Amino acid sequence: LAKTTQPISMDSYEGQEVNITCSHNNIATNDYITWYQQFPSQGPRFIIQGYKTKVTNEVASLFIPADRKSSTLSLPRVSLSDTAVYYCLVGDPPHTPLVFGKGTRLSVIA
Amino acid sequence: DVKVTQSSRYLVKRTGEKVFLECVQDMDHENMFWYRQDPGLGLRLIYFSYDVKMKEKGDIPEGYSVSREKKERFSLILESASTNQTSMYLCASTVFRVGGQNIQYFGAGTRLSVL
Repeated sequence: LAKTTQPISMDSYEGQEVNITCSHNNIATNDYITWYQQFPSQGPRFIIQGYKTKVTNEVASLFIPADRKSSTLSLPRVSLSDTAVYYCLVGDPPHTPLVFGKGTRLSVIA
Repeated sequence: DVKVTQSSRYLVKRTGEKVFLECVQDMDHENMFWYRQDPGLGLRLIYFSYDVKMKEKGDIPEGYSVSREKKERFSLILESASTNQTSMYLCASTVFRVGGQNIQYFGAGTRLSVL
């Protein structure tokens, strides 16, 4: 299974753009990259998924370089409610289950 | 709307008790998962199941077993609860689609305390 490495924590002020980078050096050809968000005392919630280049939805953007050894989750203009733990996962269902690392704890400050 | 329901939000049990954690999903998903989450350790996979009566060990299966008799229900069993099994337990389900968007849907979690 491809392992991921993310910063343990990040701080940001409200209204700023936040970029969280995840390293996955041994990503396999068939692996997708998926990001989840988790608030305290809740289960994780899907944010975005991609395979290569750039993916954007109403919540975030995901940037994946050509070598796919890293990815960056971009949250535009964060608010206090974006304070959460963000997980980067790499896997290729149905052959392997997704593996959660320790995530990045984002704290948004007023 | 997608729904994964865990039977209890909070449970308190005594050492040595047999504990059942139940999870039900209403999305007709083939695949279901049990994780535990501890401070500083993230989510760790205990067991998962690709189909009825199927089970696969995750990263930390010791001290746990599972049961999947019906597609919508996946039970986690602690045969003899111990204090080191005090944790938040999270259930998830998903449909795996090759080349598609595979999303895990999580329940709200069960916070288990073993005294």
